[in-house]
Amino acid sequence: AQKVTQAQTEISVVEKEDVTLDCVYETRDTTYYLFWYKQPPSGELVFLIRRNSFDEQNEISGRYSWNFQKSTSSFNFTITASQVVDSAVYFCALSEVSGYQKVTFGTGTKLQVIP
Amino acid sequence: DVKVTQSSRYLVKRTGEKVFLECVQDMDHENMFWYRQDPGLGLRLIYFSYDVKMKEKGDIPEGYSVSREKKERFSLILESASTNQTSMYLCASDASRPGTGFGTFGSGTRLTVV
Repeated sequence: AQKVTQAQTEISVVEKEDVTLDCVYETRDTTYYLFWYKQPPSGELVFLIRRNSFDEQNEISGRYSWNFQKSTSSFNFTITASQVVDSAVYFCALSEVSGYQKVTFGTGTKLQVIP
Repeated sequence: DVKVTQSSRYLVKRTGEKVFLECVQDMDHENMFWYRQDPGLGLRLIYFSYDVKMKEKGDIPEGYSVSREKKERFSLILESASTNQTSMYLCASDASRPGTGFGTFGSGTRLTVV
């Protein structure tokens, strides 16, 4: 069975600080996908990134970066120079590739960026 | 932009009522999903559909059913609403192979069963 753990329930940072959101996953599959989503107060989930299990290259997109380490089964998300607009709940998710390829979500990390 | 529209933002229903939650997408996506979101539990998959009239159970289908008569519309049905179905319900759609990264969710329907 798949499992995604986001141990940080809530994080508060002051604007312009860097913050890392942790994600640890469990799966028996050798091929899988990992995702991050953002859920702002409006409620709609916004897709941020998808990463194939064979691609361990870190990715940077503006102030966002992701560190995928297969050896520790982690897919951490860092926001550099945080802004108030980054305040949201962030979900990490894992998708199997076989069968019905269901997506398993973590419980989410609520990030509050204080001005 | 792809839009996934959920018919109601907030809904209050009585125990035992039959409840319909509607979801419509405008990009001809084959795949549609219903999740519920609860504090401390994240998002859990209720049902999904890969095609018209096709449905598959997710992780927590008990107490729910779905209907997909048209490609753009995916309805979640609570046959007899109960208080433990009070939750936020999120619909999603995707054109990709299932699980490979659906990026479009609706804004959610917050259902309260009293």
